[in-house]
Amino acid sequence: DAGVIQSPRHEVTEMGQEVTLRCKPISGHNSLFWYRQTMMRGLELLIYFNNNVPIDDSGMPEDRFSAKMPNASFSTLKIQPSEPRDSAVYFCASSSIQGVGGNTIYFGEGSWLTVV
Amino acid sequence: GQQVMQIPQYQHVQEGEDFTTYCNSSTTLSNIQWYKQRPGGHPVFLIQLVKSGEVKKQKRLTFQFGEAKKNSSLHITATQTTDVGTYFCAGLAGGTSYGKLTFGQGTILTVHP
Repeated sequence: DAGVIQSPRHEVTEMGQEVTLRCKPISGHNSLFWYRQTMMRGLELLIYFNNNVPIDDSGMPEDRFSAKMPNASFSTLKIQPSEPRDSAVYFCASSSIQGVGGNTIYFGEGSWLTVV
Repeated sequence: GQQVMQIPQYQHVQEGEDFTTYCNSSTTLSNIQWYKQRPGGHPVFLIQLVKSGEVKKQKRLTFQFGEAKKNSSLHITATQTTDVGTYFCAGLAGGTSYGKLTFGQGTILTVHP
């Protein structure tokens, strides 16, 4: 089975440019998560969706960040305009959550973003 | 909000030595999960603990969940170079739905051959 697929794997962009990260979750999973990882702040949950609906976006840093999940097999995380402090690894992850309780989260390989 | 603290932040060991990382939550957890991230890789699920006082083993790895369900530990016996990486605990607050895990900061393990 294919895992969580993210693109691009690496991106270098100039400050002020728009960045769009893409994610295809594991087929059949009903929850999708966007995480950001930096040395300083560790692994931070930005937003998560359940059945394509955003449940909690309290981790989204500011209005420059937005995320969408138009259908069960695709999600995007957009940064506009990008800033050097946005440089990080962005992980998409998916899970099959049923009811109260936790289930295994499967991470994609990450999108390594550098904003210069 | 819920906080999950993990110590130590770094651990350097000689191959063959044991290693332990500890995880403490500010709130009671319904379950806790452990993940391993190899250098340059992505977090990979290791195990989930649900019951108070639960102990699970995976070969040289032993996982424990505290009686109060607020702390957990991962112990590796006789480390090998393949154990190198960052180990994360991730806790789910009691009664939380939709699997909103809070990750600890991770313990970076290096193993010297």
